[in-house]
Amino acid sequence: DIQMTQSPSSLSASVGDRVTITCRASQSISSYLNWYQQKPGKAPKLLIYAASSLQSGVPSRFSGSGSGTDFTLTISSLQPEDFATYYCQQSYSTLHTFGQGTKLEIK
Amino acid sequence: EVQLVESGGGLVQPGGSLRLSCAASGFTFSSYWMSWVRQAPGKGLEWVANIKQDGSEKYYVDSVKGRFTISRDNAKNSLYLQMNSLRAEDTAVYYCARDLGAAGYYGMDVWGQGTTVTVSS
Repeated sequence: DIQMTQSPSSLSASVGDRVTITCRASQSISSYLNWYQQKPGKAPKLLIYAASSLQSGVPSRFSGSGSGTDFTLTISSLQPEDFATYYCQQSYSTLHTFGQGTKLEIK
Repeated sequence: EVQLVESGGGLVQPGGSLRLSCAASGFTFSSYWMSWVRQAPGKGLEWVANIKQDGSEKYYVDSVKGRFTISRDNAKNSLYLQMNSLRAEDTAVYYCARDLGAAGYYGMDVWGQGTTVTVSS
């Protein structure tokens, strides 16, 4: 099975900051990497699919990059509504594993 | 409105069974791969299973293989998860989700609100 490792596990930042979250796959997954945002008590929301494609309706301050084994999610200028937990997920293999999550908190 | 609504969660004893349902509306259900994802209390997301549009392909995380069965009824626009031999570690909120794109390679773009399964004596 493909393992997904996110870093950091938690992050404190301020409104307006630029933030980057990293996701590493245990083997190459081409560009089959997706990013989700989840707020407490809510279902996850798809932000980025295929490593760098912005899902419809998602603000352009969110961007994704990478291929192979190393990927990043960048938020260019943090807004108050962006404080949440972020997950990466690979959809390359038949078992679509998630990373362990990165909790983004207000500094 | 595109919508997924789960039902069927509840409290069950270890070793028991439960069947979750997910009712889809607002889109052509038969055109999409569908998935189940769970989240244990205070933990991260875990992909559980998915099923192809016609039900001909099904995949499961190792921890539920042989115990859970995913199925669908395209005539009823419904997705199911039959869970047998339940264990305490199956306690979680279970979400159904639609896979983006016909091939199922691009993440899950529509999610239900989740249904809670608690396995306890």
